[in-house]
Amino acid sequence: EDKVVQSPLSLVVHEGDTVTLNCSYEVTNFRSLLWYKQEKKAPTFLFMLTSSGIEKKSGRLSSILDKKELFSILNITATQTGDSAIYLCAVEPYNTDKLIFGTGTRLQVFP
Amino acid sequence: GAVVSQHPSRVICKSGTSVKIECRSLDFQATTMFWYRQFPKQSLMLMATSNEGSKATYEQGVEKDKFLINHASLTLSTLTVTSAHPEDSSFYICSALPKGTGQGEQYFGPGTRLTVT
Repeated sequence: EDKVVQSPLSLVVHEGDTVTLNCSYEVTNFRSLLWYKQEKKAPTFLFMLTSSGIEKKSGRLSSILDKKELFSILNITATQTGDSAIYLCAVEPYNTDKLIFGTGTRLQVFP
Repeated sequence: GAVVSQHPSRVICKSGTSVKIECRSLDFQATTMFWYRQFPKQSLMLMATSNEGSKATYEQGVEKDKFLINHASLTLSTLTVTSAHPEDSSFYICSALPKGTGQGEQYFGPGTRLTVT
């Protein structure tokens, strides 16, 4: 059965800290891995990763995929209170447009 | 960017009644739309995949007679929760895959919070 597991489930840090969120997966016919940020409503797209070892970066956020070890990490440097959210990892297999979501990591950043 | 709307954003209904939730892609056509359910502090659970002009494909454990999905056009899918019960109270989110998109990027609606009393 396809599954996506994120860790930690919850993380509390202070502003300025750097955090690393983990996502591991077991999926038949992997096509891509996506990261989303969810605040109060629907998830907003952050990154899509398809190739191993190539870092995607957007401001203080970056992500990388390791297809051999079947995981991805999302890094956030110099965290701000606005980074407080649930971060969702999802995997898309080939031959389907479905996304398999992980459990999510709830990040709380305090001033 | 691509925008997906949902209506209503919040609804309260009595047990035993039916509720319809609409999902619209505002500036693109979507041959495929997805319906998710999210319980508090939990991740998104895919309920069904809705394809324009054909029957929806439901995930295991989702009752198709209870959660009726209609994808009548390339910009609209509806989810009807029939004979709602308090345990159906949840956050329902739709997403849409733009026509011709080869990979990955579903656009999510803002969600509908359903409370059944």
